[in-house]
Amino acid sequence: QSALTQPASVSGSPGQSITISCTGTSSDIGTYDYVSWYQQHPGKVPKLIIFDVNKRPSGVSDRFSGFKSGNTASLTISSLHPDDEADYFCNSYRRSSTWVFGGGTKLTVL
Amino acid sequence: QLQVVESGGGVVQPGESLRLSCAASGFTLSTSGMHWVRQAPGKGLEWVAFMRSDESHKSYAASVQGRFSLSRDTSKNTLYVQMNSLQSEDTAVYYCAKDTMDAFNIWGQGTMVTVSS
Repeated sequence: QSALTQPASVSGSPGQSITISCTGTSSDIGTYDYVSWYQQHPGKVPKLIIFDVNKRPSGVSDRFSGFKSGNTASLTISSLHPDDEADYFCNSYRRSSTWVFGGGTKLTVL
Repeated sequence: QLQVVESGGGVVQPGESLRLSCAASGFTLSTSGMHWVRQAPGKGLEWVAFMRSDESHKSYAASVQGRFSLSRDTSKNTLYVQMNSLQSEDTAVYYCAKDTMDAFNIWGQGTMVTVSS
């Protein structure tokens, strides 16, 4: 079960926008619209920030948005805040009630 | 308030077994699918296992298939994962998470499992 592919790190300055990509295959992202994203601050529990490709749970800032095209999903964070500095993980459903995570991306807010 | 609390972690030797518990409150397990997700020290998240709300289906990651087994006690509203033949690669924080729209919505604080001789 290969993990989804994410860049190891991205960075941006406060106020800027960044995008994190998440590449899968036709067995997961390419077929199912069950892509989700999680934010994890150091030593903390992961938090769901996007589900079903582009939906936000109640209470999550609209600065977070999701998109999917083909086998690649992406998370965009606009108007970066210092508190956005964290690890971000994508996840996709992958047939037969199995799921797969990406390797994670460390976001640094410069 | 929806909440899950994991327990049962500890230090075991390779080849030994351990059972983790996930106690749910604010909702009943019979109405929700549930996952186990783990995170090795300094590493990313790995999906481990899933139980459908009606217990009709259980699925496992290839890395734990045949060694881990899910069960549930409805009277205690608690989910369990029985972990056998533990290996060093199983060392991780184990999280229980409630499934919502095929995403991991409610997470517990996790319980640490260390497999070491």
